[in-house]
Amino acid sequence: NAGVTQTPKFQVLKTGQSMTLQCAQDMNHEYMSWYRQDPGMGLRLIHYSVGAGITDQGEVPNGYNVSRSTTEDFPLRLLSAAPSQTSVYFCASSYSYLDEKLFFGSGTQLSVL
Amino acid sequence: GESVGLHLPTLSVQEGDNSIINCAYSNSASDYFIWYKQESGKGPQFIIDIRSNMDKRQGQRVTVLLNKTVKHLSLQIAATQPGDSAVYFCAENHGLSFGAGTTVTVRA
Repeated sequence: NAGVTQTPKFQVLKTGQSMTLQCAQDMNHEYMSWYRQDPGMGLRLIHYSVGAGITDQGEVPNGYNVSRSTTEDFPLRLLSAAPSQTSVYFCASSYSYLDEKLFFGSGTQLSVL
Repeated sequence: GESVGLHLPTLSVQEGDNSIINCAYSNSASDYFIWYKQESGKGPQFIIDIRSNMDKRQGQRVTVLLNKTVKHLSLQIAATQPGDSAVYFCAENHGLSFGAGTTVTVRA
């Protein structure tokens, strides 16, 4: 049972480049979300999805795009990378949106030069 | 808006002693709280949760206390071990808001 799988683990981009961070879960979870983690700021919610075809914005959505075409996958797209998007990104999932503990992936460390 | 915060960014504890990590929240409507542990280079991992209809919940070596009157919760770790060294986060209402975390360092 793989749980939540994120790829890649590390990525370096140049300003203006675009890329997609992949997230997949094999637990049949309805809820999936993306966070970014910066030093001293904890985890901040970027986007989330309560089910296939449904997405919504979190606390810091600007510069990111998501889609949820299947229950298993929830990719995060950086449209035009900026140095301010240098961070560690975590994907998480849970059985439902309602009061459930989150299962996290191992993270993607992104550097934008 | 809602916010969840931890009182101290760092905590140093002697191996074998008990640890207490505190967290304050501002949203009185919050009814579900979770503690996560994050080891270096890994994603956060669930430790224990508590709902607002409870004051205390115990797990294996961990206890969470909830004081709704002052909007405060704490995580107590009994007989702290080197493997407990990590960053601890509290979260409210399904992770819409996380505190900045407390880094726990266990001294041998």
